[in-house]
Amino acid sequence: DIQMTQSPSSLSASVGDRVTITCRASQSIYSYLNWYQQKPGKAPTLLIFGASKLQSGVPSRFSGSGSATDYSLTISSVEPGDFATYYCQQSFNAPRTFGQGTKLEIK
Amino acid sequence: QVQLQESGPGLVKPLETLSLTCSVSGDSIGIYYWNWIRQPAGKGLEWIGRLSTSGNTNYNPSLKSRVIISLDTSKNLFSLELTSVTAADTAVYYCAREDPMAAVGTTGYFYFAMDVWGQGSTVTVSS
Repeated sequence: DIQMTQSPSSLSASVGDRVTITCRASQSIYSYLNWYQQKPGKAPTLLIFGASKLQSGVPSRFSGSGSATDYSLTISSVEPGDFATYYCQQSFNAPRTFGQGTKLEIK
Repeated sequence: QVQLQESGPGLVKPLETLSLTCSVSGDSIGIYYWNWIRQPAGKGLEWIGRLSTSGNTNYNPSLKSRVIISLDTSKNLFSLELTSVTAADTAVYYCAREDPMAAVGTTGYFYFAMDVWGQGSTVTVSS
């Protein structure tokens, strides 16, 4: 199985800050990497697929990058609704695997 | 607009079978992958498995011996069965549709992602 490791596990930021979350795969996943946002009590929602492609309706302040084993999610200017937990997930093969999550909290 | 809705018992006794269904509305079962994911309280997401409309299944190796995912195209729903449950199976269970989101250049392959999720169904294993 491909192991996905996110860092940091939690992150404190202020509105307007630029934040970056990283995700490392245990082997190359060739950009088969998705990012999800989850708010408390809600199902996850897809933000980015294919490492860098923005899902329809997702604000452009979200961006993804990376290749091979190392990927990142960046929020260019955090807004109040962005405080949530973020998960990466590889779609290179089965079993699908998620990172452990990064909780973005208000500073 | 496609919507998914999980349903099933909220309480299951230890060693019994957890059974959930995911009803699909607003679209047909079509040509997708249908996934189950769970999340224990305060923890991360754990992928349980998926089923394609062609009948292919993939399961999490840690659960494979206890999981069956099936599809009923006539009723536009898919189901999860998890046998011999323990307290460790207590979680919110989500169903999700996995779609081919974009082609990978000219390779013939696609980037897949879970872009439609149910709201989740809380299952507690307790006597």
